[in-house]
Amino acid sequence: EVQLVESGGGLVQPGGSLRLACSASGFIFSDYVMHWVRQAPGKGLEYLSAISSLGSNAYYTDSMKGRFTISRDNSKNTLYFEMSSLRAEDTAVYYCVKDPMDVWGQGTTVTVSS
Amino acid sequence: SYELTQPSSVSVSPGQTARITCSGDILAKKYARWFQQKPGQAPVLVIYKDSERPSGIPDRFSGSSSGTTVTLTISGAQVEDEADYYCYSAADKNRAFGGGTKLTVL
Repeated sequence: EVQLVESGGGLVQPGGSLRLACSASGFIFSDYVMHWVRQAPGKGLEYLSAISSLGSNAYYTDSMKGRFTISRDNSKNTLYFEMSSLRAEDTAVYYCVKDPMDVWGQGTTVTVSS
Repeated sequence: SYELTQPSSVSVSPGQTARITCSGDILAKKYARWFQQKPGQAPVLVIYKDSERPSGIPDRFSGSSSGTTVTLTISGAQVEDEADYYCYSAADKNRAFGGGTKLTVL
């Protein structure tokens, strides 16, 4: 079964940092582009970032550049998303997504609050 | 960046046809995907490449494209189709979801 399982979410203070992880199984992880998408409470989907299959190229939505870093470890079948200088508006469910966006994880919740 | 515009809500009775539109300049050049999201669940891909349906998606879901507008059509909408629907498209330097459409079937 193709599966994505996110972890690493939680409560963090404004200005803090967090690293999300996404463990993949059931497919050849190193063959696929991977994405991160988030959804703030009661809001729509927001595209964040993508990384090429071998990790050599990364894309970030303009508003994400500078604070967030996407990476992957194909030997561990794991995708990462490092977030820094977190703000209240970064509070959301963060989804890991396999290209062509046909498989989504269950999401991990990040809450930025003092 | 670019924007994809969807109506905020669409309402139909069971058995009727629901149509949800998504507009944006990028759609004249790039394919769209459609996602269904039910409360408390992760999104599900229901249409890709404007009109292709993934395996397991009922054939009452279809997609079409004309110029800068793509349309998701649910023929004979059922109560279980009530959900939020999002379009998505991507170019080399721009990727974005539409704002989402809440489909009510009652």
